[in-house]
Amino acid sequence: AAGVIQSPRHLIKEKRETATLKCYPIPRHDTVYWYQQGPGQDPQFLISFYEKMQSDKGSIPDRFSAQQFSDYHSELNMSSLELGDSALYFCASSTRDRSSYEQYFGPGTRLTVT
Amino acid sequence: GEDVEQSLFLSVREGDSSVINCTYTDSSSTYLYWYKQEPGAGLQLLTYIFSNMDMKQDQRLTVLLNKKDKHLSLRIADTQTGDSAIYFCAERYSSASKIIFGSGTRLSIRP
Repeated sequence: AAGVIQSPRHLIKEKRETATLKCYPIPRHDTVYWYQQGPGQDPQFLISFYEKMQSDKGSIPDRFSAQQFSDYHSELNMSSLELGDSALYFCASSTRDRSSYEQYFGPGTRLTVT
Repeated sequence: GEDVEQSLFLSVREGDSSVINCTYTDSSSTYLYWYKQEPGAGLQLLTYIFSNMDMKQDQRLTVLLNKKDKHLSLRIADTQTGDSAIYFCAERYSSASKIIFGSGTRLSIRP
């Protein structure tokens, strides 16, 4: 079965650079979520999109922005990178079907800022 | 996670049962989950329970939910070395909402 695809899997950037992370949800899933997991931390919700509109916002810095495109894939854009942005970034997708209990997580993108 | 609390570490002997506990604050949570994360890896959904249930069993895993005390537990029977990982308790209000994770419990297995 198709899973959530994230690219790249690993990314190394320098401080003040820009990074773009991509997420391809499971086919027919209409909602995408982004989470950030710092070293030794629990995953923290950043932002979500439903049908290409932002549906919820968490602890996402102003330096970050995201969008969902017409094919439902999503991109997380991160500018002016800081050392503290080094983390594992997960994308998850789901449907709003009331019987759907699971958010399907991708394998994550490991971002290292040097 | 500030709304979901877990103890940070648990050490058990191989073959014994492991019990990982979690407390949550949002009584309106509809879904409660247990995720497993191995070092450097992604999040694997182990099991879940709906808020209108009080127990769920799935092979070696047993989830108990006490809604009154907002307490969730995961019991792993016959713990094996492959069970070494961080276990996250998580809650979710609805099928449309974000997941809120606990801080994770690191389970280590001793011979």
